Amino acid sequence: EPEVTQTPSHQVTQMGQEVILRCVPISNHLYFYWYRQILGQKVEFLVSFYNNEISEKSEIFDDQFSVERPDGSNFTLKIRSTKLEDSAMYFCASSPGVNTEAFFGQGTRLTVV
Amino acid sequence: ILNVEQSPQSLHVQEGDSTNFTCSFPSSNFYALHWYRWETAKSPEALFVMTLNGDEKKKGRISATLNTKEGYSYLYIKGSQPEDSATYLCALISSTDKLIFGTGTRLQVFP
Repeated sequence: EPEVTQTPSHQVTQMGQEVILRCVPISNHLYFYWYRQILGQKVEFLVSFYNNEISEKSEIFDDQFSVERPDGSNFTLKIRSTKLEDSAMYFCASSPGVNTEAFFGQGTRLTVV
Repeated sequence: ILNVEQSPQSLHVQEGDSTNFTCSFPSSNFYALHWYRWETAKSPEALFVMTLNGDEKKKGRISATLNTKEGYSYLYIKGSQPEDSATYLCALISSTDKLIFGTGTRLQVFP
């Protein structure tokens, strides 16, 4: 069964460093999302991507984040100049359409030290 | 900013009890509502996608209803089992095509 895969599963980085989180969505899906969940808090929307363009982004997105589809299959989230409060689980999701369920990857646990 | 609220935040029930929780959302921006089940150490898994006012969906012992005019959805679990223990998330799709998640209801079912 097709699935969304994320790498790495766990990343530890020093404060101020840049990190790239990778996601391989399901191949015929058109909508892609990045979310994060800081421990104990709600799932927070970061960005949605459709037709190779950002369709919506959160208020915090431009400060620190960027997304790319470098080769038409991978979908990456870059976090510039990480802060301690960026420590969270980062989830990628994809869906074939807005009226269909989103499929989530297993997440990347980012720890900023 | 769209706000999707879920209540209660957490719930502890005995095996065999039936339970329900609520998802509230602004009705003016409604496009679709999703329910997800999220077990610890796993990724969220879709339960239902609901689009029409009055929709009722069922999967085994779990069912959901939708009222888009008043902006709420209920999720029901009949005869809860320990394996139902998880966080249940609802997510609103607005006209801008993004999924906005609620805060979740954490369910714990004791044997």
